[in-house]
Amino acid sequence: DQQVKQNSPSLSVQEGRISILNCDYTNSMFDYFLWYKKYPAEGPTFLISISSIKDKNEDGRFTVFLNKSAKHLSLHIVPSQPGDSAVYFCAATFGSGNTGKLIFGQGTTLQVKP
Amino acid sequence: GAVVSQHPSWVICKSGTSVKIECRSLDFQATTMFWYRQFPKQSLMLMATSNEGSKATYEQGVEKDKFLINHASLTLSTLTVTSAHPEDSSFYICSARDGSHTDTQYFGPGTRLTVL
Repeated sequence: DQQVKQNSPSLSVQEGRISILNCDYTNSMFDYFLWYKKYPAEGPTFLISISSIKDKNEDGRFTVFLNKSAKHLSLHIVPSQPGDSAVYFCAATFGSGNTGKLIFGQGTTLQVKP
Repeated sequence: GAVVSQHPSWVICKSGTSVKIECRSLDFQATTMFWYRQFPKQSLMLMATSNEGSKATYEQGVEKDKFLINHASLTLSTLTVTSAHPEDSSFYICSARDGSHTDTQYFGPGTRLTVL
């Protein structure tokens, strides 16, 4: 049972444009969501997170939006840069923020073309 | 940010042998460490949660006798894959919770295991 889903395995955008990565979840008990960036043969690097009490969190070029009624979150990267090319995972947890058990989506490979 | 290391970064072993993977928090104390496994083009799947000084909690479907986890100190957890088989070949990643912060979990760089 895939509780966190990233239905787009890949995304290609032009440098300078906006990248939008989507994530859906099924468990309404999740109360904390995170986005990670991962390069091949490396561990995930934390990007940005959002608590379920918020609907938006912004950090520089990265913004995460949460729509609880739709059980959907998205990561916006603007402007996109070639260095953003990587696999992006969304993850969800409950009860203890980023310290708890994380349930990951399948990942979306982002390619930003110069 | 805090650093989590894993050793080895990659290992090749023969079927039937055991392999130990170390996960260390280098500049903080980790009361809790997590072990994940990632198959090619798939998600990271949590295998077990390891608390310092106590037995690990395994996720459903993960064989505790096959994947031995020890978390003997606040900076070190080990995962031993016993009697490894080719289907155990995967990318194993640990993460560590910084006990001094409430919302920080750091990931190691991962270990690529190939069982021949």
